[in-house]
Amino acid sequence: LAKTTQPISMDSYEGQEVNITCSHNNIATNDYITWYQQFPSQGPRFIIQGYKTKVTNEVASLFIPADRKSSTLSLPRVSLSDTAVYYCLVGDMANTGFQKLVFGTGTRLLVSP
Amino acid sequence: NAGVTQTPKFRVLKTGQSMTLLCAQDMNHEYMYWYRQDPGMGLRLIHYSVGEGTTAKGEVPDGYNVSRLKKQNFLLGLESAAPSQTSVYFCASGGPNNEQFFGPGTRLTVL
Repeated sequence: LAKTTQPISMDSYEGQEVNITCSHNNIATNDYITWYQQFPSQGPRFIIQGYKTKVTNEVASLFIPADRKSSTLSLPRVSLSDTAVYYCLVGDMANTGFQKLVFGTGTRLLVSP
Repeated sequence: NAGVTQTPKFRVLKTGQSMTLLCAQDMNHEYMYWYRQDPGMGLRLIHYSVGEGTTAKGEVPDGYNVSRLKKQNFLLGLESAAPSQTSVYFCASGGPNNEQFFGPGTRLTVL
């Protein structure tokens, strides 16, 4: 399972765009990149997943360069409620869809007024 | 549609006691997982199941046992609790689109 490295913490202000970059140098061919969000005293919540190039949904965008050794989660116009821990995970998605996720320590995002 | 539920929400045990944590999902997912999360840390996979009647070890399986007798339920057992098992336990289920849905967690303290 590929190891991921991401900043321990980031600070932002309401209304700003936040970009959190994750490094995964040993990513394998079958690996997908997934981001989860976790609020205090809650379980993680799926945000977005991608394999290459760019993926966008209603809450975030995920940018993956051609070599796939890193990825960037982009949160547009953050609000106070986006204060949470964000985890970047890499997992083998081959065939069955079953995924053994390896969580690092995540990035603690603090959004201030 | 309740999603993933966990029972109990909190529990305090004495060293050597046993207990079972129950996870239930109503999304008809094949895959279920048990994780533990220690303060300031990410989640670590304890055991998982790829279908009814199957279980497998994850990253930190020692001291835990699991059973998946019904597709919707995944039980985590501690036969002889130790203080090192003080943690927050999360259950998750996942379907074919690879997204995992997590329960609210069980906060366990072992004295």
